[in-house]
Amino acid sequence: GAGVSQTPSNKVTEKGKYVELRCDPISGHTALYWYRQSLGQGPEFLIYFQGTGAADDSGLPNDRFFAVRPEGSVSTLKIQRTERGDSAVYLCASSYEGRETQYFGPGTRLLVL
Amino acid sequence: DQQVKQNSPSLSVQEGRISILNCDYTNSMFDYFLWYKKYPAEGPTFLISISSIKDKNEDGRFTVFLNKSAKHLSLHIVPSQPGDSAVYFCAATRGSNYKLTFGKGTLLTVNP
Repeated sequence: GAGVSQTPSNKVTEKGKYVELRCDPISGHTALYWYRQSLGQGPEFLIYFQGTGAADDSGLPNDRFFAVRPEGSVSTLKIQRTERGDSAVYLCASSYEGRETQYFGPGTRLLVL
Repeated sequence: DQQVKQNSPSLSVQEGRISILNCDYTNSMFDYFLWYKKYPAEGPTFLISISSIKDKNEDGRFTVFLNKSAKHLSLHIVPSQPGDSAVYFCAATRGSNYKLTFGKGTLLTVNP
């Protein structure tokens, strides 16, 4: 079956601009996660959705970051007033409810100039 | 404060030999551990996992060992193949369906 998909695969933007990153999870997966991976680091947790609600957003670095999942499937990560330090690979993962194994998408490579 | 540590940034082994990747953790609340493999420009791919109630889990060429008293786990790959060359991430979590805490990864190179 289809895996987790993310669009765009690459995004170049200018400092101060607004960006949206999309994640389409595996069909039937109720849990969805966003992570951010900077160069030389492991992925770092940003936010976790169970269904439509954000069950844990403790990893969002500040209020410029926001994520939604209005219908419990596709999710969008929104970054306002982008800064050069936001440059990273943004990874999305999904899993079945009650199971630990998370399956990752290919990521969106964001570069803020 | 790194709760999951992979102290070896890289490892090089010969094809056919054993690869051993190590991981240490500090949070005693972690009860589920996973290994992911990552190729360049791709997302992490799940490899194998282990619950804290076990000390070993095996899947084909891959075996994960957990030593809870030492807060240490290791991934053994035998025999190693050139296609195993990738970055390997150790991850930990507590409870089910919750956020993963990753190490920084170890780059494994398997030489033909």
